Amino acid sequence: ETGVTQTPRHLVMGMTNKKSLKCEQHLGHNAMYWYKQSAKKPLELMFVYNFKEQTENNSVPSRFSPECPNSSHLFLHLHTLQPEDSALYLCASSHLKVDTGELFFGEGSRLTVL
Amino acid sequence: EDQVTQSPEALRLQEGESSSLNCSYTVSGLRGLFWYRQDPGKGPEFLFTLYSAGEEKEKERLKATLTKKESFLHITAPKPEDSATYLCAVRGNYGQNFVFGPGTRLSVLP
Repeated sequence: ETGVTQTPRHLVMGMTNKKSLKCEQHLGHNAMYWYKQSAKKPLELMFVYNFKEQTENNSVPSRFSPECPNSSHLFLHLHTLQPEDSALYLCASSHLKVDTGELFFGEGSRLTVL
Repeated sequence: EDQVTQSPEALRLQEGESSSLNCSYTVSGLRGLFWYRQDPGKGPEFLFTLYSAGEEKEKERLKATLTKKESFLHITAPKPEDSATYLCAVRGNYGQNFVFGPGTRLSVLP
């Protein structure tokens, strides 16, 4: 398997549920990102991990909790979300030491909060 | 604060009708300007990186150019399969954030 893989592709949850999004990259990258994409808005950075350490948290509400157990895996734990959190959640990875540094994205997880 | 704007918001072309998309940016020290293509329901797909004013990159019917304040994505003789949203992003000298523009939604009609 190659590239960046996200699961699940689609998720519907109630406001009181707890669920997790998973991302796995097979590119040998050492930085991983969570982005949120809402309708008619630019991609918003949520979290950045370099070598498993969180380096950026872009003022994201605590109902979103990231976890990065190693450089290849990234999770986004979801708890007591709001309907306005419905969006496409995109995982990306990049190579830190190569200054081209372009992001490689997964297909995204489409989240609907009822 | 780094910012990216894109125009037009949407563009409809006939097959074979060439045009350009604009990306205007303000950034504190440009480390790279990136173009991505995004198909509906999918993640963005990397197209180009540009680093300095005057640089150009080409891929099939697409050509990206860069000045100190903007970038253009030129589409020559587009085909229906070029229909997608094209995203522009910049990366500045500080932090690791890639700041994205809102995108241009391109439709190429047969």
